[in-house]
Amino acid sequence: GAVVSQHPSWVICKSGTSVKIECRSLDFQATTMFWYRQFPKQSLMLMATSNEGSKATYEQGVEKDKFLINHASLTLSTLTVTSAHPEDSSFYICSAHQSLFSDYGYTFGSGTRLTVV
Amino acid sequence: AQTVTQSQPEMSVQEAETVTLSCTYDTSENNYYLFWYKQPPSRQMILVIRQEAYKQQNATENRFSVNFQKAAKSFSLKISDSQLGDTAMYFCAFMIPNRDDKIIFGKGTRLHILP
Repeated sequence: GAVVSQHPSWVICKSGTSVKIECRSLDFQATTMFWYRQFPKQSLMLMATSNEGSKATYEQGVEKDKFLINHASLTLSTLTVTSAHPEDSSFYICSAHQSLFSDYGYTFGSGTRLTVV
Repeated sequence: AQTVTQSQPEMSVQEAETVTLSCTYDTSENNYYLFWYKQPPSRQMILVIRQEAYKQQNATENRFSVNFQKAAKSFSLKISDSQLGDTAMYFCAFMIPNRDDKIIFGKGTRLHILP
């Protein structure tokens, strides 16, 4: 089945530094990638939607200059948390979607736990 | 705006029992998809079951079935013969196709299967 590889699975960084999270669709082309943030014991909150080759669409309240999303190819999307602060600590999950799938399949990455110290 | 409501934050049932998780949603659209996702302690999101709004027949996947009531905007998940491995967070979710295709999740229900 479809697989999305998300790396790193966890990362600890110092306040003020930037962190990049990668999501790769391994056996299909993801025309759309969704990025979610999940706080402990809470639901997934959609941060942004990215389509290959175009600028990401951010949800209301999400700082686009802080959370940089690049979707340069049909198999790779990246989320960069710039100038990270402790309040950015969270679990980040990507989800790849291929609109040509007849069953509207979404494949999720395994998530990245970010801790900013 | 579309919303998804899960009114049961947490539930516990004995192994082998049947449990029903409730979900209601609000939309003015006529064509949409509904999902139930499972998130075990590993935090990997796993699709449990999917329902297309235009289909009247309730979706089933082995021990998992839904009760889709379109007029009432209700989409409950029934887990039969529950197993210890069913312990997880369960999220009800909603998507409108051919628009932005983004999935909107409910707040989740934490399900504990007790031995």
